[in-house]
Amino acid sequence: EVQLVQSGAEVKKPGESLKISCKGSGYSFTSYWIGWVRQMPGKGLEWMGIIYPGDSDTRYSPSFQGQVTISADKSISTAYLQWSSLKASDTAMYYCVRHLSGGLDYWGQGTLVTVSS
Amino acid sequence: AIWMTQSPSLLSASTGDRVTISCRMSQGISSYLAWYQQKPGKAPELLIYAASTLQSGVPSRFSGSGSGTDFTLTISCLQSEDFATYYCQQYYSFPWTFGQGTKVEIK
Repeated sequence: EVQLVQSGAEVKKPGESLKISCKGSGYSFTSYWIGWVRQMPGKGLEWMGIIYPGDSDTRYSPSFQGQVTISADKSISTAYLQWSSLKASDTAMYYCVRHLSGGLDYWGQGTLVTVSS
Repeated sequence: AIWMTQSPSLLSASTGDRVTISCRMSQGISSYLAWYQQKPGKAPELLIYAASTLQSGVPSRFSGSGSGTDFTLTISCLQSEDFATYYCQQYYSFPWTFGQGTKVEIK
């Protein structure tokens, strides 16, 4: 069974760093793209970026380029999304997603990030 | 970047209705379009990819059509479990983008 299991909810202060994770199982981790999608409270879906763990090819939305870093450790089938300095506006639910050739077919359960002083 | 216009943003309908949601692109994307359903408090789920291919396990009352710049999601006979928010998404070129969403509510 294909699963994407994300790390738990986080509460952070502005300026702090954070790295959240997404572990894939039940499929060949290096053969699919893994991406991240943001959903701010009460808002729609925003595509942030994506990585191909097989060769670490990474693409970002211009809206998120320089604001976050996407990485992957294929030895443990895990993708990451990290911030070096969080802002209150980073408060959102973050989903990891899998892609091969047709849409985002599997979604993680989501990681809620709350940034508040 | 490719801009997407999804309409309507809110759709009021009754069980048994046929509903359609539109997604228009700022440039042609061939058939590289997907549709998702999201229920409150849940992660979105893939309904349709390649504009018209039904994801495994999705009921046949859902269908997608279109290519190029204009796409449509149709629910042929709305069921109670279909009241949710729907999003289109293009994966033709980076950066991939989502439509603004359509909330289907009970009339």
